Amino acid sequence: KNQVEQSPQSLIILEGKNCTLQCNYTVSPFSNLRWYKQDTGRGPVSLTIMTFSENTKSNGRYTATLDADTKQSSLHITASQLSDSASYICVVSDRGSTLGRLYFGRGTQLTVWP
Amino acid sequence: EADIYQTPRYLVIGTGKKITLECSQTMGHDKMYWYQQDPGMELHLIHYSYGVNSTEKGDLSSESTVSRIRTEHFPLTLESARPSHTSQYLCASSKQQGDPYEQYFGPGTRLTVT
Repeated sequence: KNQVEQSPQSLIILEGKNCTLQCNYTVSPFSNLRWYKQDTGRGPVSLTIMTFSENTKSNGRYTATLDADTKQSSLHITASQLSDSASYICVVSDRGSTLGRLYFGRGTQLTVWP
Repeated sequence: EADIYQTPRYLVIGTGKKITLECSQTMGHDKMYWYQQDPGMELHLIHYSYGVNSTEKGDLSSESTVSRIRTEHFPLTLESARPSHTSQYLCASSKQQGDPYEQYFGPGTRLTVT
C-alpha cells in the first residue's frame, strides 16, 4: 500500500533554533517528492520538489534531502522564525498514472515560540 | 502567491441545503482538483479535471459533484448537505505538461453543516 508517514506529529521550538522534520514513504514507482507549508486556515504552498536524481534542494532557510534508496526525506529549517509556525506536509508522486497521483502525509505541526 | 481563488472562505449551513463552493484560477491551467481535508489528517482527492468538459472522481468517495464549463472555473456542488460533509475543501490547479508539475492551492473553504 502506498503511504507517506511523517514524524514527529508536532514539534515546538524556540525562535532562532534549527529543526528537522522526517518523511518516510512506500510509494512505488517513485516520481518526485514535495514539501509543502500550510498555514492555519490556508492552502498548502510548495517549498521544494525533488526528483529521483536529486538528493538535496534548498529554498532560503529550508533545505530538503532525499534518499531514494531508503525512501526517506527530511526538511531542515535553519534559524527558525515565528512565521515558520505551520503544518509541513510531505507529498510523494508516483509514475503509475497519467495523472501522476499525489500521496499526502498528515503533516508535522511546527510551533515556533519567541 | 498563486492566482487561485475560493469562495466562500467559511460557510455554516443547515442540513439539507444545496451549496456550491466556487473555485477559479487565472493562470490558464488545464488541470484542476478538489481535495477534502479534516483537521490533522492528510488531503484526499475527491474530484479532478483535465480540461473543459472533463471531470473525474478521485480516490475518496464523495457525494459532491463538479463541473468544468470554462477553463478557469471549477465549482463543487453538494445537493443536500449533511453534518458528515463538514470539512475543509481545497481547490488546486496545475499545468497540463511538465514533470514534475507544480500544483497551486487555493486558500480553502471551511464548511460546517449543522
